[in-house]
Formats: sequence, C-alpha cells, structure tokens
Amino acid sequence: DGGITQSPKYLFRKEGQNVTLSCEQNLNHDAMYWYRQDPGQGLRLIYYSQIVNDFQKGDIAEGYSVSREKKESFPLTVTSAQKNPTAFYLCASSIIWGETQYFGPGTRLLVL
Amino acid sequence: KQEVTQIPAALSVPEGENLVLNCSFTDSAIYNLQWFRQDPGKGLTSLLLIQSSQREQTSGRLNASLDKSSGRSTLYIAASQPGDSATYLCASFEGQNFVFGPGTRLSVLP
Repeated sequence: DGGITQSPKYLFRKEGQNVTLSCEQNLNHDAMYWYRQDPGQGLRLIYYSQIVNDFQKGDIAEGYSVSREKKESFPLTVTSAQKNPTAFYLCASSIIWGETQYFGPGTRLLVL
Repeated sequence: KQEVTQIPAALSVPEGENLVLNCSFTDSAIYNLQWFRQDPGKGLTSLLLIQSSQREQTSGRLNASLDKSSGRSTLYIAASQPGDSATYLCASFEGQNFVFGPGTRLSVLP
C-alpha cells in the first residue's frame, strides 16, 4: 500500500535533548512538508522540501532542523533551542509543490 | 499576510441534514484551496482541492465552491451521517505558503 508513515506515535523529550521524528513516503512524491498543530489552532508550516537535497524554512522554523537526502525520507529534528516543543507534528507530501497534500498519522511530542 | 478563518468553530446537526461549512481568506491571490477532514488524534485526509481557475469541485456527497473575489470557500455536505463527525479544515496556497484555518468541529447526531 502506498502512503506516508510517521514514527514514533508518541515521543518524550527531556530538557536539553534533541529528538528526531521520522517521516517516510512511498508515493514517489517530490514535495514533503512538516507541520505543527497546537490545540485550537490551525497547522503551521515548519519546513518544506520541493525536491530531494533541497529544503526551505516555513513560518516557525526556529528550533527545528531537517534533511532531505532521499526522496522518500524527510526527518525532523526538534532541538533543545525549541523551548515549547509540546505539540502534534504532522508530515505531508504532494506530487509537486502546492498540489494535493497527503498526510501521515502524526507524532505527539511531550516534554518530561 | 494571508489569514484564514472558519466559522462556526463547532456545529451539531441531526443525521440526514444538509450543511455548509465556511472558510474565509483575506488575500484573494491564491493558487488553490484545499479541504481536509481530521479525526481526533489522527492525521488529515484530503477531501477536495479547488484550483483558482475553478468555481467548484464535487466528490460524492461533498461539494466545495470557491469565490476568490469575495475571499470565500464553502464545503457542502449532503445528507449528513454520524460518520461525517470530524474536524474540517481548509487551507489556501498562494505559491509561497500554505495557510490553514483553525477548523470547524462537526458532530452529526444519530
């Protein structure tokens, strides 16, 4: 089955720790995205990648980093510089930038 | 900067009723507008995407319309069912960024 997978489903971060969220797609999509969702708010774009080996900052990139070394993978690292990381993180992909987005099941990040 | 709003924030209707969800955006220079469904604790499911050159799109019991001049899109759900209960989000794309609305939480009562 084609789709987008995210792991883990739940992730706990300690103070000062970097954590990495996984996102994999087998849809052969060029574009991939990372969003953050907070209660009662719309999704906010963290980073996006229009093509492999390229990525751009979104509205709230501070405290986050990404890589796009393979077409199917777009991992997100939440660094210790992100002071309020508790949120639901969603990864998405589309065949090209700006077209219909398909979302993964999400990762919920909690701070210990 | 684009702002997207959705009214109402929550809506409860009896099963079988036809309903309309609203999405408003401040900048009419959009490339497309997309409607999504989100079940609690889950990712988003794409419902319909309307290109800026289109006025509406249909899929089954769903019909989405787009009026760029007034900065509005509506999602019409016909003959609502309890399984339609979810949060519905709209998102505009202007070529540089996606901007999501906060969503409308729909409850369809049996």
